[in-house]
Amino acid sequence: EAQVTQNPRYLITVTGKKLTVTCSQNMNHEYMSWYRQDPGLGLRQIYYSMNVEVTDKGDVPEGYKVSRKEKRNFPLILESPSPNQTSLYFCASSPTGGRGGQPQHFGDGTRLSIL
Amino acid sequence: GNSVTQMEGPVTLSEEAFLTINCTYTATGYPSLFWYVQYPGEGLQLLLKATKADDKGSNKGFEATYRKETTSFHLEKGSVQVSDSAVYFCALRMGGKLIFGQGTELSVKP
Repeated sequence: EAQVTQNPRYLITVTGKKLTVTCSQNMNHEYMSWYRQDPGLGLRQIYYSMNVEVTDKGDVPEGYKVSRKEKRNFPLILESPSPNQTSLYFCASSPTGGRGGQPQHFGDGTRLSIL
Repeated sequence: GNSVTQMEGPVTLSEEAFLTINCTYTATGYPSLFWYVQYPGEGLQLLLKATKADDKGSNKGFEATYRKETTSFHLEKGSVQVSDSAVYFCALRMGGKLIFGQGTELSVKP
């Protein structure tokens, strides 16, 4: 089954404790992206990757890191989490990033609470 | 910069009513436009898309037409069902960047 898998689904942690949210897709997609969803703000793009070893900033990259060492995985790293990073996070992928019209396949989300 | 604005919710309708959710955008260039739907506790699913001016996207009775002259992509459905209750997001895509509207919550009552 084609899917985007995020882990963990839920996490409560404390300020400053490094964490990683993993994202994996089994569709051989070149493009992957991370979003955060906050009430009244919709989804905002954090980082995206057009292909292996190619990453770029979205609209809200501050406080986040990503890496794309292999095509299927695109982890989101919070080196020193803060309470304002409490949010619902989604990973998504699509076959390519350059051509318009390609919808993205979304994971089920990761709810992070930073105390 | 690029942006998407949708009508605020929540929108509450009776079953079989007509639905319109307004979406307008600003973009430099020619974006692709999308409507995504999010059911409670789930991720986003593509509802429909349009890739160029005057294209009409349609799916499950929902329709939206890419209007370049009014920079709009309004979502419509002729007769909503209780099962359509969800949050709807308008979005534009330019290359690797995807920009979403703030979402409109729809509640359909029997």
